[in-house]
Amino acid sequence: GEDVEQSLFLSVREGDSSVINCTYTDSSSTYLYWYKQEPGAGLQLLTYIFSNMDMKQDQRLTVLLNKKDKHLSLRIADTQTGDSAIYFCAERNLNAGNMLTFGGGTRLMVKP
Amino acid sequence: DTEVTQTPKHLVMGMTNKKSLKCEQHMGHRAMYWYKQKAKKPPELMFVYSYEKLSINESVPSRFSPECPNSSLLNLHLHALQPEDSALYLCASSPQEGYSNQPQHFGDGTRLSIL
Repeated sequence: GEDVEQSLFLSVREGDSSVINCTYTDSSSTYLYWYKQEPGAGLQLLTYIFSNMDMKQDQRLTVLLNKKDKHLSLRIADTQTGDSAIYFCAERNLNAGNMLTFGGGTRLMVKP
Repeated sequence: DTEVTQTPKHLVMGMTNKKSLKCEQHMGHRAMYWYKQKAKKPPELMFVYSYEKLSINESVPSRFSPECPNSSLLNLHLHALQPEDSALYLCASSPQEGYSNQPQHFGDGTRLSIL
């Protein structure tokens, strides 16, 4: 079955770059997503990448995909205190009826 | 701001009450989803509606009853819930079900507490 894993916690200083990592097991993944969840809120779609791409950049966000190693990362440049949240990676693959499989989430804490 | 609107934002109910959660989107999406999220956990899929018809029920207990009155609205009717049903209930929508290049957009959720 599908399995998506993330580290639980990341702490960075304001202005530094943050890198949040995600690994998945199913090679049938088609699209991979990053969602942000602030306290008391729903999931905000940040960005997504098609599995035949290896990089996507959107302003301060850079997504890197290593399909061989089944490794996905989200880099946030110039991290701000407002970036403090839980970040979920999610994959969509044919073996799961194209439904989303979420990782456990990484809590990012940004210190001033 | 989210384009998927959920009401109410908070709900406290007793185990014998009947209540409903509501979700609305006006993006023309034809797939709508209910998720349950416990604290510090990822969302878990409950139901999927595609073109107003129930297409996926992830073995959810019958005390949760979904309804899709039209393409913009999704309800979740609650009856005789248990304390372990306390959670954040998230609604999401996407243009169509099962098309992987169409991401799901989430509402802010209803935080449900069962006394």
